[in-house]
Amino acid sequence: AQTVTQSQPEMSVQEAETVTLSCTYDTSESNYYLFWYKQPPSRQMILVIRQEAYKQQNATENRFSVNFQKAAKSFSLKISDSQLGDTAMYFCAFIPVGGTGNQFYFGTGTSLTVIP
Amino acid sequence: GAGVSQTPSNKVTEKGKYVELRCDPISGHTALYWYRQSLGQGPEFLIYFQGTGAADDSGLPNDRFFAVRPEGSVSTLKIQRTERGDSAVYLCASSLARVNTEAFFGQGTRLTVV
Repeated sequence: AQTVTQSQPEMSVQEAETVTLSCTYDTSESNYYLFWYKQPPSRQMILVIRQEAYKQQNATENRFSVNFQKAAKSFSLKISDSQLGDTAMYFCAFIPVGGTGNQFYFGTGTSLTVIP
Repeated sequence: GAGVSQTPSNKVTEKGKYVELRCDPISGHTALYWYRQSLGQGPEFLIYFQGTGAADDSGLPNDRFFAVRPEGSVSTLKIQRTERGDSAVYLCASSLARVNTEAFFGQGTRLTVV
């Protein structure tokens, strides 16, 4: 089974501080891509960061970085210097390469609130 | 347009009615996905198109749901005999190719069945 687990339904962080959102996943595929998507109240899912599973180096995108632990099947998102505009739902997702690679599998999301 | 466009933005329908939800993907994107997002949940896969064909429709919950993409561009999700449990946000996404490219999402259609 392909599953994604986000164990933190809600989180909050002070503006300018750092916060880490956790994600674990399960797949029998050896190669896949991992994503963090942000969904503000407008409902539109916006890609935050992407990681290719065969790359050991953690992806970084400005204030956003990931800690990818393939053996543990863990993919956490770190947001540095949090801004009010970061307030949103955050979804962890992956898509396998080949085999069952026809869909993105999403977690249930973490609602992040940045406090001024 | 520059992004994925979904119409209508909101749709209220009576139980038992038929509805159509439209998705205009980004021009040139061959892959198109439909997802359903219930309140407080993550998106759940419904169907995936590669070009004109439904490459994977394993997520459609039952035979009341159907989707088409006749010319490999615009897609329509069709729901017959709507039920209150069909109420959700229906998201469409497109990408240049499967798997390793970013999927761009529309703003979704919020369907409410009363």
